[in-house]
Amino acid sequence: LAKTTQPISMDSYEGQEVNITCSHNNIATNDYITWYQQFPSQGPRFIIQGYKTKVTNEVASLFIPADRKSSTLSLPRVSLSDTAVYYCLVVFLGSSNTGKLIFGQGTTLQVKP
Amino acid sequence: DTGVSQNPRHKITKRGQNVTFRCDPISEHNRLYWYRQTLGQGPEFLTYFQNEAQLEKSRLLSDRFSAERPKGSFSTLEIQRTEQGDSAMYLCASSDELATGFGTQYFGPGTRLTVL
Repeated sequence: LAKTTQPISMDSYEGQEVNITCSHNNIATNDYITWYQQFPSQGPRFIIQGYKTKVTNEVASLFIPADRKSSTLSLPRVSLSDTAVYYCLVVFLGSSNTGKLIFGQGTTLQVKP
Repeated sequence: DTGVSQNPRHKITKRGQNVTFRCDPISEHNRLYWYRQTLGQGPEFLTYFQNEAQLEKSRLLSDRFSAERPKGSFSTLEIQRTEQGDSAMYLCASSDELATGFGTQYFGPGTRLTVL
C-alpha cells in the first residue's frame, strides 16, 4: 500500500518561492499525484495534479522525477494568504481499477511579512 | 452550482447515540467520497461511490459505520453507537470521473462531530 511523507512545517517570507516535497513509496505507474491546500475549518482545496515530469497552472507547479518516488509542489512568490496546510494525495489504482486514496500528514506553511 | 454542501456543520452527541450526516455533491459529479480528519492529521479515506455503487471501503470503516448513496445523488454517513474516538471532522468530496479521474476532488466544508 502506498504511503506518503511530507515535512511537518515550513516557514517563508512574502515574495519568496516555496517548494514542498512529498515522498511516496511503491507508487504504481498509473498513480496520480495531487496537492491540496487547507485553511482552518474548511475542506481541502485542489491546487494541482500530475502524472510525471512537470505540470504548471496559474497558481503552482508540480515536479515529478522519473522514478516517481517523490513530488515537489512549487509556489511562486508566496503571500501572507498562502499560509495554510498543504497535502499531497496519492491515488493508488489497484488491479481492479478501484482507488485507494492516501493523503500525506500535511505541511503547515507559515508565510511571514 | 454552489459546490459540495454538508449538513449539519456541527454535531455534538453523547456516547452511544447514533448520528447521520448528509452530503450533497456537485450535481454533475458521479463520484462521491467520505473522509475523516482528526486534528493535525491529513484526511483519512473512508469510502467512495461511483453513482450509487459503493466501490471501496477502508478498513477504518468499522461495522458501526455505514454509508449510502441511494439514487446516485446525495449521500449519508451513519455512525451507530458513537464512541469518543469517533470525534473528528467528516469530509465529503465529489469528482467527475470522466473529466478528471480521481484527483480533482471538490470538498465540502465538513461536519465536525464531538462525542461526549
